[in-house]
Amino acid sequence: GAVVSQHPSWVICKSGTSVKIECRSLDFQATTMFWYRQFPKQSLMLMATSNEGSKATYEQGVEKDKFLINHASLTLSTLTVTSAHPEDSSFYICSAPGGPGEINEQFFGPGTRLTVL
Amino acid sequence: DAKTTQPPSMDCAEGRAANLPCNHSTISGNEYVYWYRQIHSQGPQYIIHGLKNNETNEMASLIITEDRKSSTLILPHATLRDTAVYYCIVSPNSGGSNYKLTFGKGTLLTVNP
Repeated sequence: GAVVSQHPSWVICKSGTSVKIECRSLDFQATTMFWYRQFPKQSLMLMATSNEGSKATYEQGVEKDKFLINHASLTLSTLTVTSAHPEDSSFYICSAPGGPGEINEQFFGPGTRLTVL
Repeated sequence: DAKTTQPPSMDCAEGRAANLPCNHSTISGNEYVYWYRQIHSQGPQYIIHGLKNNETNEMASLIITEDRKSSTLILPHATLRDTAVYYCIVSPNSGGSNYKLTFGKGTLLTVNP
């Protein structure tokens, strides 16, 4: 099946700094990617839909100025957490619908664990 | 909000079949039933999906009731590596942003030796 990678796999940063997380589709093109956040012992919560060449669509309650999404190419979407605070510490996961022959499947990245001190 | 209801946890003996139920009584005609699982601290993994017919692949079988209001995921011979949270999700399959998935709380399946 298709592979989605994320970088970094984990990051620790100081409060007030910005952190960029990359999501790549390795062997297929993804015009749409999704960003999720998962707090400990909770389910995945969709944050936003990333669209190649256009603005991202954010879910209700997600601050678009805090979580900047850029989908600059058909294989790369980035999520930047700006002015991070301890409450932003979470597991961030991206996904993309599969390519031809696998469009019914969502392929998820391995996740990025963010810890804000 | 998720449109599915699942038991919070289940146990299964290694080598036995694991049957995970899901209720989706408000499912629409154009919505599919998807199953994903998430092993601890990893991204979710697609298992199987179906519309109204039963489906089988190398990982599992999906049984959907005739009225489509519930389904059962069957892992025929559970192994310790199948211990994970299993999510039942209903979603239309019409492309683009409609591919987004709304995750409920899922079922934590623990396979015991």
